[in-house]
Amino acid sequence: DVKVTQSSRYLVKRTGEKVFLECVQDMDHENMFWYRQDPGLGLRLIYFSYDVKMKEKGDIPEGYSVSREKKERFSLILESASTNQTSMYLCASSFPGRGYGYTFGSGTRLTVV
Amino acid sequence: AQSVTQPDIHITVSEGASLELRCNYSYGATPYLFWYVQSPGQGLQLLLKYFSGDTLVQGIKGFEAEFKRSQSSFNLRKPSVHWSDAAEYFCAVGSTSGSARQLTFGSGTQLTVLP
Repeated sequence: DVKVTQSSRYLVKRTGEKVFLECVQDMDHENMFWYRQDPGLGLRLIYFSYDVKMKEKGDIPEGYSVSREKKERFSLILESASTNQTSMYLCASSFPGRGYGYTFGSGTRLTVV
Repeated sequence: AQSVTQPDIHITVSEGASLELRCNYSYGATPYLFWYVQSPGQGLQLLLKYFSGDTLVQGIKGFEAEFKRSQSSFNLRKPSVHWSDAAEYFCAVGSTSGSARQLTFGSGTQLTVLP
């Protein structure tokens, strides 16, 4: 089975800190995604990548950046964390072809204080 | 732009009762449609998906969904709910073009199962 691993389940960071959320997948998927999940809002796409060093903005990219130096790893970066970025962050990966579906990691619950 | 509406924020059913979760989508062409389930503290797991063909699709855990183009709906059903089905359910629509084919998710329906 495809595995998507997010390095931390829980993180607590201070306002203004630079925060790195790491995601690794083990099935050679081309596509990788970062979503944030908030109650009543569902999942909102932050950034996605369809190849190494390629990235595209999703619906809510402000305050975030991403890095994809290797195919298996997709990092989400909060340049200067703020309290309104307290959320659950979900990483997913998929193949680009027909029949695709996402495989999700277990999520990182980030609290910014 | 594609969008998904799940009109029921929270549904409560008794164990053994039937279940239907509603999903309406907006998309300019024939969509790719998905249902995911999220147990507490976990990521999302794919229940089923529709791309084309038979409008009634079967998924895991005894779930099924029916695509109705005329109603722009993709409702999830289960004939007899088990206590372990208590979770949050997300409907999603996938773009059929573009490089990464990202999914757009609804806001979710929380399912509570009474003993």
